[in-house]
Amino acid sequence: NAGVMQNPRHLVRRRGQEARLRCSPMKGHSHVYWYRQLPEEGLKFMVYLQKENIIDESGMPKERFSAEFPKEGPSILRIQQVVRGDSAAYFCASSPMRTGTNTGELFFGEGSRLTVL
Amino acid sequence: GENVEQHPSTLSVQEGDSAVIKCTYSDSASNYFPWYKQELGKRPQLIIDIRSNVGEKKDQRIAVTLNKTAKHFSLHITETQPEDSAVYFCASPEGGSQGNLIFGKGTKLSVKP
Repeated sequence: NAGVMQNPRHLVRRRGQEARLRCSPMKGHSHVYWYRQLPEEGLKFMVYLQKENIIDESGMPKERFSAEFPKEGPSILRIQQVVRGDSAAYFCASSPMRTGTNTGELFFGEGSRLTVL
Repeated sequence: GENVEQHPSTLSVQEGDSAVIKCTYSDSASNYFPWYKQELGKRPQLIIDIRSNVGEKKDQRIAVTLNKTAKHFSLHITETQPEDSAVYFCASPEGGSQGNLIFGKGTKLSVKP
């Protein structure tokens, strides 16, 4: 089992460009979560998805950010018209069931580190 | 929503000493409390968790205690080793057991040899 795969690991964008971050969950996991980590801070919940459905996007900024988890392919976190404040590490995590139920464990990817110049 | 407070933000101990990290939560319905360890530049990984039907859980040198009345839980690491140096995050689900995990801000533990 390859684990949660994220790419790119590092991404540099200029202000106003778009950033696309991809996440392939662990095999057999249908629940995907995106978290943002600012330097010296904790993990901030952004969005929770299942295949083809956004379940909870309460942590996502209302503008410029969107996420999807299509029937085929990885989950994608998209940031349009990036600004310097978007610079952060974006972690994807997956679980076989919704967190808190049964095993409860979140399996994280290595993260995608976005730098906005 | 759930609010998780974690302290201290940094902790430095000598190798062999014990380390204790404490977290408080606000949602009395929460019943699942995991701890994650993140080494520098790496992914967070679950090291131990506890559910509200027990007050303490141990796994070799690490243990977690839970006080539901006071709404706080703690991570205890005994006989610390340099490889324990990392950032540790506590978490609690929002809205009881079904919610998304809300993380504390982390504790940077440094173990000096």
